[in-house]
Amino acid sequence: GQNIDQPTEMTATEGAIVQINCTYQTSGFNGLFWYQQHAGEAPTFLSYNVLDGLEEKGRFSSFLSRSKGYSYLLLKELQMKDSASYLCAVRAPPNSGNTPLVFGKGTRLSVIA
Amino acid sequence: DGGITQSPKYLFRKEGQNVTLSCEQNLNHDAMYWYRQDPGQGLRLIYYSQIVNDFQKGDIAEGYSVSREKKESFPLTVTSAQKNPTAFYLCASSIGSTVSRAFFGQGTRLTVV
Repeated sequence: GQNIDQPTEMTATEGAIVQINCTYQTSGFNGLFWYQQHAGEAPTFLSYNVLDGLEEKGRFSSFLSRSKGYSYLLLKELQMKDSASYLCAVRAPPNSGNTPLVFGKGTRLSVIA
Repeated sequence: DGGITQSPKYLFRKEGQNVTLSCEQNLNHDAMYWYRQDPGQGLRLIYYSQIVNDFQKGDIAEGYSVSREKKESFPLTVTSAQKNPTAFYLCASSIGSTVSRAFFGQGTRLTVV
């Protein structure tokens, strides 16, 4: 089976750093994605990890440990516009019998002044 | 501009009626997906298609049907058998079903009254 866990809600202060964790259990793994979703809108792609380590892209970084089934998204210099839901998604290998792209329930981040 | 288009953005239907949600992409992607999102929930996979004239059930396929007669199009029909059809529906596509990221349409909010 497949299972993805993320915290439901987080609150952080403008200008601060926040780390959103994601743990997953899956019988096959072909990469992990992070998406941002503002209320009522479509998810937009933030990052992709398939190998262990840190991927940095501007204010956003994502880390993966395949042996631990763990990832985190790090947001630096938080801005009010970063208030959104952050979705962790895991891709399974094709023909593995698993859902090809499964999403966690998302973490709703509120940035406060 | 290349992209993925869902229409309409808002849809109202009476209980007991079938309704079809449109999804078109001009990205030349092979794989397409339909997800359902309920308030405070993550994305749950309804159906996906890896190639024209082929599709597979996702985790919550009951009460839904799809077709994939053309590469560009992947319409979703919400039938009267779907017990709780009111939700936000998201269509997505990716180059393949292996490692590529998914691009999302703007979503259709379906309300059944």
